[in-house]
Amino acid sequence: QVQLVESGGGVVQPGRSLRLSCAASGFTFSSYGMHWVRQAPGKGLEWVALISYDGSNYNYADSVKGRFTISRDNSKYTLYLQMNSLRPEDTALYYCAKTGPVGGTPNDAFHIWGQGTMVTVSS
Amino acid sequence: SYVLTQPPSVSVAPGQTARISCGGNNIGSKSVHWSQQKPGQAPVLVVYDDSDRPSGIPERFSGSNSGNTATLTISRVEAGDEADYYCQVWDSSSDQVVFGGGTKLTVL
Repeated sequence: QVQLVESGGGVVQPGRSLRLSCAASGFTFSSYGMHWVRQAPGKGLEWVALISYDGSNYNYADSVKGRFTISRDNSKYTLYLQMNSLRPEDTALYYCAKTGPVGGTPNDAFHIWGQGTMVTVSS
Repeated sequence: SYVLTQPPSVSVAPGQTARISCGGNNIGSKSVHWSQQKPGQAPVLVVYDDSDRPSGIPERFSGSNSGNTATLTISRVEAGDEADYYCQVWDSSSDQVVFGGGTKLTVL
């Protein structure tokens, strides 16, 4: 079945870096756009970044632009989020999500979500 | 930047109809998606492209979108529908996905 499993979260000091991974299975990973979405404790959903099916296009939320980098390795069925210069306000559960149609557009819904990996930024 | 406004909470008795609104400037010109999130769980898509349902989502869930308001309607509400619901759009002017603040549905 279609599955997304995030990993790489943990506790990190402000200003440090962390790389999240999202392992995909059960579908042709290279055919779908992917997103990262985060949720601070007790708060709502906040979109972080998207990457097109082939990695040629990507967009970021203003809150992470210049600090986070989304990438993918289609041969490894894996999505990444490189997070640099982390701040306490980046503390959240980070989800990866798969869009619906093959190829697709940034407008597409998130048809499948992972269970998330927790990132805590604290000294 | 584009803003989506949802009521913080909606309450409804079992068997009744719940309507959750999502307001945005000319949102009727955009495709709206709705996700359900139960406590301690990842979100699940319940309506996409204004009114389509993913496979496995009951017909009780429906959506509409016109003018400045999109609406998620849940008919014959059940206790298991109690959750947070989020609307979502793509803002082409900023090239970003935007989520509403979420609505907590309480089944009385």
